[in-house]
Amino acid sequence: ETGVTQSPTHLIKTRGQQVTLRCSSQSGHNTVSWYQQALGQGPQFIFQYYREEENGRGNFPPRFSGLQFPNYSSELNVNALELDDSALYLCASSLVGGGPVKTQYFGPGTRLLVL
Amino acid sequence: GENVEQHPSTLSVQEGDSAVIKCTYSDSASNYFPWYKQELGKRPQLIIDIRSNVGEKKDQRIAVTLNKTAKHFSLHITETQPEDSAVYFCAASINQAGTALIFGKGTTLSVSS
Repeated sequence: ETGVTQSPTHLIKTRGQQVTLRCSSQSGHNTVSWYQQALGQGPQFIFQYYREEENGRGNFPPRFSGLQFPNYSSELNVNALELDDSALYLCASSLVGGGPVKTQYFGPGTRLLVL
Repeated sequence: GENVEQHPSTLSVQEGDSAVIKCTYSDSASNYFPWYKQELGKRPQLIIDIRSNVGEKKDQRIAVTLNKTAKHFSLHITETQPEDSAVYFCAASINQAGTALIFGKGTTLSVSS
């Protein structure tokens, strides 16, 4: 298992509400990427955080936002929840710096159900 | 936009046979190509990856090949075992660091004994 953890494991919300998901990166890692995985699909890149700043974003609306803290942990916030936001949310951490492309490792995910 | 296509969507083999999964990518700047295995209800686990300066990489029963000119990469599993049954995803990077990935839609591999 990787050292990447996520909380909570499961969450149920209603349409229009807001949600915050949390990710603790593997020790020594400075970059966190977030993905949304709908049932039966591959993960879709939402955005990534590097040194506390958003550093790349996929095709997701602004109601998906995030934060990265000085200890490199991260939050994903989703406002005005829609039914289609129901999915498994995965974070992945890696160490980015000088050198070759770095491997990223996934956390166990948070399963969000929007009713 | 960037896209990764993965085939086949399902693959059934007998134990001991080989399995091959193929992917194509659209972004010529992609430089990192990992493969993940995901069992039901679990996180994706990296099984092998290849960088754009390498054409082939092998790790025991698993191998990956990359053809940058054709924008193709493939996963080869030899001597399949029932525990290889899972969903396999290919991915291609869309940033220099390799931390933003575009995934294929997955291949469900079933290995029967």
